[in-house]
Amino acid sequence: DTEVTQTPKHLVMGMTNKKSLKCEQHMGHRAMYWYKQKAKKPPELMFVYSYEKLSINESVPSRFSPECPNSSLLNLHLHALQPEDSALYLCASSQEGNSGNTIYFGEGSWLTVV
Amino acid sequence: AQSVTQLDSQVPVFEEAPVELRCNYSSSVSVYLFWYVQYPNQGLQLLLKYLSGSTLVKGINGFEAEFNKSQTSFHLRKPSVHISDTAEYFCAVSFNRDDKIIFGKGTRLHILP
Repeated sequence: DTEVTQTPKHLVMGMTNKKSLKCEQHMGHRAMYWYKQKAKKPPELMFVYSYEKLSINESVPSRFSPECPNSSLLNLHLHALQPEDSALYLCASSQEGNSGNTIYFGEGSWLTVV
Repeated sequence: AQSVTQLDSQVPVFEEAPVELRCNYSSSVSVYLFWYVQYPNQGLQLLLKYLSGSTLVKGINGFEAEFNKSQTSFHLRKPSVHISDTAEYFCAVSFNRDDKIIFGKGTRLHILP
């Protein structure tokens, strides 16, 4: 069983909606990540938080807004998304920023934008 | 440029036969190497990783991989596959202690009965 928990597992939203994806880990990890994965493609890094501060933003459109309320929680706020944003969104965590540390993934949130 | 390549998009293999999934990387700096597995409709799970030391790395579920610096490869092997090994396998690399981990395009392992 994964120790990174993501909610909801499935989300359908309209292009004018505002929704959020949530992620939680209780492993004491200090780095947390958001990845986007399209069907039959590898995960693509979106954001990295290290010690609750945003350390990497891979030029993600502003309609995706990450938030790290504390060291255990990571949110991804969604607003005015496009149908092409439909994908599996994976949250992950590691002990610290990578440096060889294992990245633990959640099971993902399936997002469909209609 | 730094990159990771999985040449085979799909590998069919008979049950109980051996398998090798290929991974090559390109980098001018030191690297850490990983293999992850993704079962249908699930997240990714670490199979094994190479940080330093012995070039032969053993992982979970009977998988192993060998780091070959001269050939810049990190191929994944299993001596006898089972139907439950059906999944997508991703080779991944991080470069020079970076926070980023870059994934290859993945190889789908298809087990034939």
